[in-house]
Amino acid sequence: DAGVTQSPTHLIKTRGQHVTLRCSPISGHKSVSWYQQVLGQGPQFIFQYYEKEERGRGNFPDRFSARQFPNYSSELNVNALLLGDSALYLCASSLGRGQWGNIQYFGAGTRLSVL
Amino acid sequence: QQQVKQSPQSLIVQKGGISIINCAYENTAFDYFPWYQQFPGKGPALLIAIRPDVSEKKEGRFTISFNKSAKQFSLHIMDSQPGDSATYFCAASKEGETSGSRLTFGEGTQLTVNP
Repeated sequence: DAGVTQSPTHLIKTRGQHVTLRCSPISGHKSVSWYQQVLGQGPQFIFQYYEKEERGRGNFPDRFSARQFPNYSSELNVNALLLGDSALYLCASSLGRGQWGNIQYFGAGTRLSVL
Repeated sequence: QQQVKQSPQSLIVQKGGISIINCAYENTAFDYFPWYQQFPGKGPALLIAIRPDVSEKKEGRFTISFNKSAKQFSLHIMDSQPGDSATYFCAASKEGETSGSRLTFGEGTQLTVNP
């Protein structure tokens, strides 16, 4: 079975540009979460979506936005890129409900470099 | 604000030895405590998790010990192997059907197991 897939794998942008990152969850999973992992640190929560509704938002500026589609895939958008946005962006999927509904499985991430 | 503190930052163990990583949390509302293993260039992979109704959980060579009163939990890796060399993250979340589950991660521990 396919795990969480993210695209692209690597991305290089310049300051001020915008970027769209994509995520496909594990089949049957209805919840997607996004995390930012700066080199040498633990992942930081950005957003969680369940059934296309935003369930949670972390402490990130409004330049960061996301959405979830009817097929449960998701996009993370970042506008007006800053050097500090350079990081590994991780997508995690979960069932979204039930006893084990919130166990999150991560993709390999998208490595974003802002020059 | 760091809600989950992890130590040590790095750990070197001989093959066959025991690796111990510790975490402390502040938010008493947390009720789910997973450990993730991350290899370079990969996303975090769920290793083992515990809920606060038990004090210990063992899966193969991996054991979580949980101390609710001290707000601490630890990962023990028995018979450590060179293949265990990776970065380990503890995390915590407050589960909820409607509020979702944002994982709060520790800073990570880079484990090196020497042959």
